[in-house]
Amino acid sequence: ELKVEQNPLFLSMQEGKNYTIYCNYSTTSDRLYWYRQDPGKSLESLFVLLSNGAVKQEGRLMASLDTKARLSTLHITAAVHDLSATYFCATRAQYGNKLVFGAGTILRVKS
Amino acid sequence: DTGVSQNPRHKITKRGQNVTFRCDPISEHNRLYWYRQTLGQGPEFLTYFQNEAQLEKSRLLSDRFSAERPKGSFSTLEIQRTEQGDSAMYLCASSSFLGQVRSYNEQFFGPGTRLTVL
Repeated sequence: ELKVEQNPLFLSMQEGKNYTIYCNYSTTSDRLYWYRQDPGKSLESLFVLLSNGAVKQEGRLMASLDTKARLSTLHITAAVHDLSATYFCATRAQYGNKLVFGAGTILRVKS
Repeated sequence: DTGVSQNPRHKITKRGQNVTFRCDPISEHNRLYWYRQTLGQGPEFLTYFQNEAQLEKSRLLSDRFSAERPKGSFSTLEIQRTEQGDSAMYLCASSSFLGQVRSYNEQFFGPGTRLTVL
């Protein structure tokens, strides 16, 4: 059974600092998704990573995928308050259809 | 088309009552998914449709839960004889599936229906 683990589950960081959120998954998968969720809101798609070594960047966020290590990272550069949210990674079993999500990382950026 | 829509956004009901939620996917998307999210957790898969066919159901989907997508467009999720443990956010997502090789199958989520069972 596919399992997804994220760490840390809670991250409090100062504005301007850098940090990385880690996402490990337990079985072979062919893609990895990152979503953002604001309190009381639905999920907003951030990145879709489709292959080993894939790297995508949007603003202060950069995501990467290592399929051999079954690991994805979400790197935050020079954090700003607007990045405060919960971040989820999700994946699917290879050729599967349903997404399996991690428990989420609550990010709080303090000024 | 502005995205996936869900109605109602909030539902408060008493234990034992039946409730029905509706999801309207992005119009050109052929796949529709239902997930449930409880506080502090990631969404958990419930079921999905390709066009009007229900292709997979989670073991989380007890016999009190039923989902339909009669014409391959909107979908409904009904919960019969609600229990307090059913309180959660019910999320709908849709995607465009073009075959395993060609499709990103990226799922776009609606705003959710928050159910509170008293």
